[in-house]
Amino acid sequence: EVQLVESGGGLVQPGGSLRLSCAASGFTVSSNYMSWVRQAPGKGLEWVSVIYSGGSTYYADSVKGRFTISRDNSKNTLYLQMNSLRAEDTAVYYCARGFPGDDAFDIWGQGTMVTVSS
Amino acid sequence: SSELTQDPAVSVALGQTVRITCQGDSLRSYYASWYQQKPGQAPVLVIYGKNNRPSGIPDRFSGSSSGNTASLTITGAQAEDEADYYCNSRDSSGNQLVFGGGTKLTVL
Repeated sequence: EVQLVESGGGLVQPGGSLRLSCAASGFTVSSNYMSWVRQAPGKGLEWVSVIYSGGSTYYADSVKGRFTISRDNSKNTLYLQMNSLRAEDTAVYYCARGFPGDDAFDIWGQGTMVTVSS
Repeated sequence: SSELTQDPAVSVALGQTVRITCQGDSLRSYYASWYQQKPGQAPVLVIYGKNNRPSGIPDRFSGSSSGNTASLTITGAQAEDEADYYCNSRDSSGNQLVFGGGTKLTVL
């Protein structure tokens, strides 16, 4: 079964760090482009970052310089390292698989909640 | 602020047709994809590319595009279609991705 399972969310103080993981099954992470998308409580979806199969990475302006997307091919897992966290980073974070050949996300994880608060 | 603009809310009578739109300059160059999200659930892809439906998505969902506007049409809306709908595409640079602000669909 094709599946994504996020983990690593939790409560962190402003200025702190957190690393999210997204374990994939049923397909190979490195063969697809993968993204992180977040959703603040009661708000809409916000694209955060993407990593392409060739390794190129891009970030939303709101997280550039603070967040880093990466993958571990041996573990078939996607990561999001989040540093210098702010209250406005509070959200459910989803990982999603890019649909081959199209700009679309066909597989989504269930999401992991990140709360930035003192 | 989002580079893709959606109406915040739309309503439709049960069994009628509704169109949800998404506007943005980048849509002149890139297709939009559309997602349905129900409360407490992850988004689900319903339309991608020119007008493609993933397996399992009912054929009452269709997509179209003209100029800077992409549209999602639901022909014969059902009660279970009540949800938030988001469009997604690339931004004008082509390197970043962006979501529209979302449209809350109410089925009356």
